[in-house]
This record gives sequence, structure tokens and C-alpha cells, in this order.
Amino acid sequence: VQLVESGGALVRPGGSLRLSCAASGFTFNHYWMHWVRQAPGKGLVWVSRINSDNFNINYADSVKGRFTVSRDNAKNTVYLQMNSLRPEDTAVYYCARDGGGLVPGLDYWGQGTLVTVSS
Amino acid sequence: QSALTQPASVSGSPGQSITISCTGTSSDVGNYNLVSWYQQHPGKAPKLMIYEVSKRPSGVSNRFSGSKSGNTASLTISGLQAEDEADYYCYSYADTLEIFGGGTKLTVL
Repeated sequence: VQLVESGGALVRPGGSLRLSCAASGFTFNHYWMHWVRQAPGKGLVWVSRINSDNFNINYADSVKGRFTVSRDNAKNTVYLQMNSLRPEDTAVYYCARDGGGLVPGLDYWGQGTLVTVSS
Repeated sequence: QSALTQPASVSGSPGQSITISCTGTSSDVGNYNLVSWYQQHPGKAPKLMIYEVSKRPSGVSNRFSGSKSGNTASLTISGLQAEDEADYYCYSYADTLEIFGGGTKLTVL
């Protein structure tokens, strides 16, 4: 199992960014996927989750209305579209697989991609 | 969406046992047996150590154990080893969202 995030960058406040997470080594369309972020020197914060067929999606209040999660099962990739970015969105963003019925927990994680929101 | 409450730090000597608590509410920890624990070393991605309150994924040492009573979950590490020094986070399902604890820094003296 491998998860590889990409797309992190330095962006101005109010700007947009799209993160990608490419998955391999498992049947991607069988699993929920999550995004988790970690501001520098701070703790983990859950951001969003998406079920296997794009129909069940949830967000943390802090990003609701600004971030959109989606997935392309044909490309084994999950995305996080981030709009109206704020300095407090600065963090390493991880994607993680939810092990589902067998292992309900975030059983595999990517290495993270850094998003910096600053003028 | 307040974070679950964990102690900021705990410490113990090699060979000792420590317990990290994680207090939530009846809407998260108290209502679901979907509490998990993660270990994170500096600069690394988190690692799943416990799921469904007390189950260990394959490959995780049996020195790690979990439990829950009411709105509080706990992680116990027995026979502390130097490599256990890390940050630990609890995590709970809460219906339309999921919540992490604030994290606990474990120092092995």
C-alpha cells in the first residue's frame, strides 16, 4: 500500500490550491479516504472524508464551504480542492486510508505535502 | 468540534508502564467503539497503533493496549522502550465527522 500526496505550495491568502493523493497497492474503490492536516508544531486535525463512490462526504467545520474533496477511482486518486485559503490553513496535509470493516481506523498514511498560506 | 482532551505530556522510565487518557463526550468516544490511537515520531507520518478501542493491527507490539470507560478512552504502553518516545493521538468517529485528541508527548526518561 502506498499513498503519495502532491500539490503543496506557497499560496497567497484568498488563493486556491488542489492537492492530490495517488494510491497504489490496494483496491482503491473499496475504501473511504480521509484528509488530515498538521500545522507546524501542532497536533493532527481531521479535515474531510469521502466514501468509495463519491456520495458520502463530510468536512470539519473549519473548512466547510471552502474545501472540496473528490476522488477518481479510475485514476486511484483522491483530491482536495482548497479555496479561499487563510494563513491558518498552513499545514502539512496527509491523506489516509480508512481500513473499513476489517480495520476501522486510518491504517495507511501518505508522507504529507506542505501548504503554506502567506503574503 | 472541540478536540478530544489528552494530557499534554507523560513520561516514564524504561520498563515501566504509562497510560494516556483521552476524554470526549457522549457524542463521540462515549457513543461509538470507534476509537483509535496513533503514534507519530518527529517528521514522520502517524502510525495506527490501536483501533476499535482495543484491537492491535498486525505488527504492532502487544505492549500497546487500549480500553474505554464511558467518555474516556485510554492507551497503555507497558515495558516502555526508548523507541516509544513519540507523540500519541487518540481519534474518534462522531457520525458526520471525526475528531483527534490534542496529542500527548511521551518522554522515555
